[in-house]
Amino acid sequence: EIVLTQSPGTLSLSPGERATLSCRASQSVSNNYLAWYQQKPGQAPRLLIFGASIRATGIPDRFSGSGSGTDFTLTISGLEPEDFAVYYCQQYGSAPFTFGPGTKVDIK
Amino acid sequence: EEQLVESGGGLVQPGGSLRLSCAVSGFTFSNYWMTWVRQAPGKGLEWVASIKPDGSEQYYVESVKGRFTISRDNAKNSLYLQVNSLRAEDTAVYYCARTWSAFDIWGQGTMVTVSS
Repeated sequence: EIVLTQSPGTLSLSPGERATLSCRASQSVSNNYLAWYQQKPGQAPRLLIFGASIRATGIPDRFSGSGSGTDFTLTISGLEPEDFAVYYCQQYGSAPFTFGPGTKVDIK
Repeated sequence: EEQLVESGGGLVQPGGSLRLSCAVSGFTFSNYWMTWVRQAPGKGLEWVASIKPDGSEQYYVESVKGRFTISRDNAKNSLYLQVNSLRAEDTAVYYCARTWSAFDIWGQGTMVTVSS
């Protein structure tokens, strides 16, 4: 089983600032099948990034993903008020398709 | 518009059973893998099970093997999760998700509470 570790656990930033979220895998993620999701309270998760760096349909270009192998990053370049949420990484290259514990981005 | 709507959750005693359903519309259901993901109250996301487009293969997280069964009816555009021998730790919101480029479309979830 691939274990995903996300850091930091909480990121306190102001609107307009840049957010950098990290996701580290315990072993290499097959084909870089690494996704990022955003979840707001009371809502279902929303896919942001798949294949480590491909934005999903309708996702603003301030969201970008990078990385390969075991180290991945989600960057939000200029936080908008609606971006304050919890972000999860997930690997879907090999079952079980594990999620990281999440990073909460809150308002400073 | 692509839409997934879950139903079938509720309050059940330990050891009990439920059948969760996910009704799909707006895309060709039979072309896609489908998945169930759950989220315990205040906790993170946990992948539960996935099923191939034709239903011929299923995959499960270890903690539910032998107790949960994922299935689908492509003629009815519906996905199911039969959950048996429920435990307190199965209490969660259960989401269905279309599975193509990762889990790209999600339903709103259905709550399962296991308590006596």
